[in-house]
Amino acid sequence: QVTLRESGPALVKPTQTLTLTCTFSGFSLNTGGMCVSWIRQSPGKALEWLARIDWDDDKYYSTSLKTRLTISKDTSKNQVVLTMTNMDPVDTATYYCARIGAAGSSYYFDYWGQGTLVTVSS
Amino acid sequence: SYELTQPPSVSVSPGQTASITCSGDKLGDKYVCWYQQKPGQSPVLVIYQDSERPSGIPERFSGSNSGNTATLTISGTQAMDEADYYCQAWDSSTVVFGGGSKLTVL
Repeated sequence: QVTLRESGPALVKPTQTLTLTCTFSGFSLNTGGMCVSWIRQSPGKALEWLARIDWDDDKYYSTSLKTRLTISKDTSKNQVVLTMTNMDPVDTATYYCARIGAAGSSYYFDYWGQGTLVTVSS
Repeated sequence: SYELTQPPSVSVSPGQTASITCSGDKLGDKYVCWYQQKPGQSPVLVIYQDSERPSGIPERFSGSNSGNTATLTISGTQAMDEADYYCQAWDSSTVVFGGGSKLTVL
């Protein structure tokens, strides 16, 4: 059974760095083809993809946010960590981690965490 | 950057067919998937690889993709299908989501 769970601070101040952890079970990021992404959703807004990390440690970032994002993994702990620097109130959102599934050359988010709401406010 | 465009809202009567579109340049050359999101819940994959249904998704959900438009079709729409729906595709190694469509069943 695949599960993912996000954890991190509920409240951060402007200019601070946010660190979120995705703890997962039911699969391993040591397995070829496995990937995990972070996605966020501001209140009442659409989903926004942030970053992805692959089993081979390849990393990909949203073009608009890549200067502020770092994604990493700890395979021994089954965790993926996302850091976002210089937080701003517009970064207030629910942050999700999701596993990337595959069927041939088609890739999709087949399992999602429950999300964690991060509010940026002084 | 690549963009996917969805209608903000779609309305359908119970038992009728709902169609939600997603448009993008040469979208038919990419694989599209669709997610359902109900209030306060995480998104759920309902269609992948343009038209495939994951296990547990009702047969009334179907998808197609050709030219510049992908379509999610819900046949015999039920009240429980009222939700936000997002299309998603890959642009090179990055992910693009549509702006979402709110499906109202009335």
